Amino acid sequence: EADIYQTPRYLVIGTGKKITLECSQTMGHDKMYWYQQDPGMELHLIHYSYGVNSTEKGDLSSESTVSRIRTEHFPLTLESARPSHTSQYLCASSRDNNSPLHFGNGTRLTVT
Amino acid sequence: GQSLEQPSEVTAVEGAIVQINCTYQTSGFYGLSWYQQHDGGAPTFLSYNALDGLEETGRFSSFLSRSDSYGYLLLQELQMKDSASYFCAVKGGSNYQLIWGAGTKLIIKP
Repeated sequence: EADIYQTPRYLVIGTGKKITLECSQTMGHDKMYWYQQDPGMELHLIHYSYGVNSTEKGDLSSESTVSRIRTEHFPLTLESARPSHTSQYLCASSRDNNSPLHFGNGTRLTVT
Repeated sequence: GQSLEQPSEVTAVEGAIVQINCTYQTSGFYGLSWYQQHDGGAPTFLSYNALDGLEETGRFSSFLSRSDSYGYLLLQELQMKDSASYFCAVKGGSNYQLIWGAGTKLIIKP
């Protein structure tokens, strides 16, 4: 049973559109993360958060922003989508810095 | 730079034992984790080693040698449902976040 939810599951949009990928967790975890993963490849950290009003940039943070207004919600926004953004986006959370990550089922984004 | 090396693909027979190796080169090391990911699914946590030695969880075991910057995941009594990709990830770097390997695709034949 999923405790971390991502919507939409699949998304196809045109170049230049602004999009927001949603992520919510019901576990009360302070730490949340956004990763990008191409098929058969490693995960790349985009953004992470230590808690409410905390956001940090990862390795691939350019061209996207996040917010953490509530503990359970950590949306990711692409201001202007490009074909190079076509990928899977995975949201995760953890209780603290030393606990395992719990992942959502991901959003598969295609930018045409 | 920071890097993790693991084989891209491993093939084994149902019921057998398989070992997936991971070597790492990172600035700072706080632990080695293993995650399983089925095709189209989300990564799920398998094990974590912060200290040298073997950790056992059911059919899965994980080993770490910090002096060799090396670890492995051992899967015993392989079942068809174990067909998946397995990722090693090191907690390290300047921001204390996970650095991921490219994953090992485990193919199990009957």
